[in-house]
Amino acid sequence: DSGVTQTPKHLITATGQRVTLRCSPRSGDLSVYWYQQSLDQGLQFLIQYYNGEERAKGNILERFSAQQFPDLHSELNLSSLELGDSALYFCASSAGEAGANVLTFGAGSRLTVL
Amino acid sequence: GQNIDQPTEMTATEGAIVQINCTYQTSGFNGLFWYQQHAGEAPTFLSYNVLDGLEEKGRFSSFLSRSKGYSYLLLKELQMKDSASYLCAVRTYSGGYQKVTFGTGTKLQVIP
Repeated sequence: DSGVTQTPKHLITATGQRVTLRCSPRSGDLSVYWYQQSLDQGLQFLIQYYNGEERAKGNILERFSAQQFPDLHSELNLSSLELGDSALYFCASSAGEAGANVLTFGAGSRLTVL
Repeated sequence: GQNIDQPTEMTATEGAIVQINCTYQTSGFNGLFWYQQHAGEAPTFLSYNVLDGLEEKGRFSSFLSRSKGYSYLLLKELQMKDSASYLCAVRTYSGGYQKVTFGTGTKLQVIP
């Protein structure tokens, strides 16, 4: 157990729907990162938060949004889902502001869009 | 932007040594990580280099040459459980914040 908790572990939904993925960082970590990993693809950086504020943005689609709450947990919202959104979504946390320390990953949320 | 290159796949024999290379082109370089990822699982941290040279940690070692934009991960005494993807990740500093970008990973298969 890495200390980073992601829910749900698996999610199956239909095109056009909206889902929310949740992440609780490791105790004491202030930074949360979201990555997308499609089948046989690398980890694509989506977005990063530090202590409730957005710090960096990657190739995140406009249909996707995220936030980090005062208790430091984070949610990634995916809307108007398309088949191509099917992927593993990883959350990672670190103690420092932006990759200043090692990223610790959660087990991931596997999204299947039918 | 950043460009990180790794071989897509490698095969090695149990008990042998394998070297996985990573080259990168980036601005604001501020460190390089290696992660291991078993299929369908979360990446786990293996090593970190920010200065030139070799970092050794048990059976795993990682080398960095900043001037050449080059790193390698060396795995000794290979075990079957080392079959996994190995991800090279570059940390950069730009615009007041740091970012970690991952390569597409090298899928290593260890055979008996």
